[in-house]
Amino acid sequence: EAGVVQSPRYKIIEKKQPVAFWCNPISGHNTLYWYRQNLGQGPELLIRYENEEAVDDSQLPKDRFSAERLKGVDSTLKIQPAELGDSAVYLCASSQREGAYNEQFFGPGTRLTVL
Amino acid sequence: GDSVTQMEGPVTLSEEAFLTINCTYTATGYPSLFWYVQYPGEGLQLLLKATKADDKGSNKGFEATYRKETTSFHLEKGSVQVSDSAVYFCALTSGYSTLTFGKGTMLLVSP
Repeated sequence: EAGVVQSPRYKIIEKKQPVAFWCNPISGHNTLYWYRQNLGQGPELLIRYENEEAVDDSQLPKDRFSAERLKGVDSTLKIQPAELGDSAVYLCASSQREGAYNEQFFGPGTRLTVL
Repeated sequence: GDSVTQMEGPVTLSEEAFLTINCTYTATGYPSLFWYVQYPGEGLQLLLKATKADDKGSNKGFEATYRKETTSFHLEKGSVQVSDSAVYFCALTSGYSTLTFGKGTMLLVSP
């Protein structure tokens, strides 16, 4: 079974430029998560989808961040414009359905460096 | 809100030494508790979990017991290997799917 796929693995951009990250969850997983992991910290949730609906986006900085999951499968996270403080690893995870005890499977992440 | 506190690393051990990584938490209700591991260049992987008080999660020789009275979920292994070198994250969820993570503890095991 293929795991969670993310691309690109690494991205270096200059500040004020836009950037997009893509995630393809495990087949059949209805719930998709985007986390941000700053250096030396644990991941923090940005947004959670149940199928195509964003059910928790309270931690997403909506002035510059946006996300979509149009067909309830793969998802894109965008930053426009990027700031120096956005440098981090962006992790995507998926689980079979929403619920406290369902294991979340993580992708390898996209490491973003903003210069 | 929910929070997780882990011991700071790095933890440096020789092969076959005993490992303990401390984790304490603050949460409303009755959270589920997890340990995730992140090997170099790889994504987070679930190592073990416990969903109620006094449960013991175990996997690959690692163990952790859900202690409600001390709000702790310490990770232990009797004999570490070089291949256990990684970053270990304690995490919890209080019933809304979202995981709250600690800052992570790096483990370095030398031959």
